[in-house]
Amino acid sequence: AQSVAQPEDQVNVAEGNPLTVKCTYSVSGNPYLFWHVQYPNRGLQFLLKYITGDNLVKGSYGFEAEFNKSQTSFHLKKPSALVSDSALYFCAVGRKTSYDKVIFGPGTSLSVIP
Amino acid sequence: DAGVTQSPTHLIKTRGQQVTLRCSPKSGHDTVSWYQQALGQGPQFIFQYYEEEERQRGNFPDRFSGHQFPNYSSELNVNALLLGDSALYLCASSLSLNLHNEQFFGPGTRLTVL
Repeated sequence: AQSVAQPEDQVNVAEGNPLTVKCTYSVSGNPYLFWHVQYPNRGLQFLLKYITGDNLVKGSYGFEAEFNKSQTSFHLKKPSALVSDSALYFCAVGRKTSYDKVIFGPGTSLSVIP
Repeated sequence: DAGVTQSPTHLIKTRGQQVTLRCSPKSGHDTVSWYQQALGQGPQFIFQYYEEEERQRGNFPDRFSGHQFPNYSSELNVNALLLGDSALYLCASSLSLNLHNEQFFGPGTRLTVL
């Protein structure tokens, strides 16, 4: 069975500092991995995805994520946080053989403090 | 270019009633997926439509049904509403069933069941 864990409900970081939002996954076979962001009262926005290739994936708004197969992790990172990055972040995993197995994590609320 | 649109924005129903939610995909997209996002949780996959047929389905009862029209728009129907059906319902569109293709999410419909 597939599963996604986001071990931190809340992450607080000062503006200008680097940020990390953690994600670990469990899936049989090779995974597709995604990060989405959700701003208040809005739908999800796609940030980035890992399908294959380089373990470091670059996405929208300066975000990047590193795929680590041995640790089954896909942490989201940004070198310098902005106040406007404050939002809810969701990690998701899919299997390459079955689209209906895209599972979202519970989300991590990121607060960037001015 | 309009993105994914959903209607209505908000809806209040009572237990036992039936509800229909509507989604128009992003221009050029032919695949529509529906998700249920309960408060404080990540989105859960309900089902996916492609070429007017349900292609994949998550772990939701038969009370949840859908339809896709020739113009690729879609409806989600929920019968015999329960209090637990209260959630944000998200529609996402993409090009074909390929997970390589990014999903675009609509703003959602907030359903409250009293």
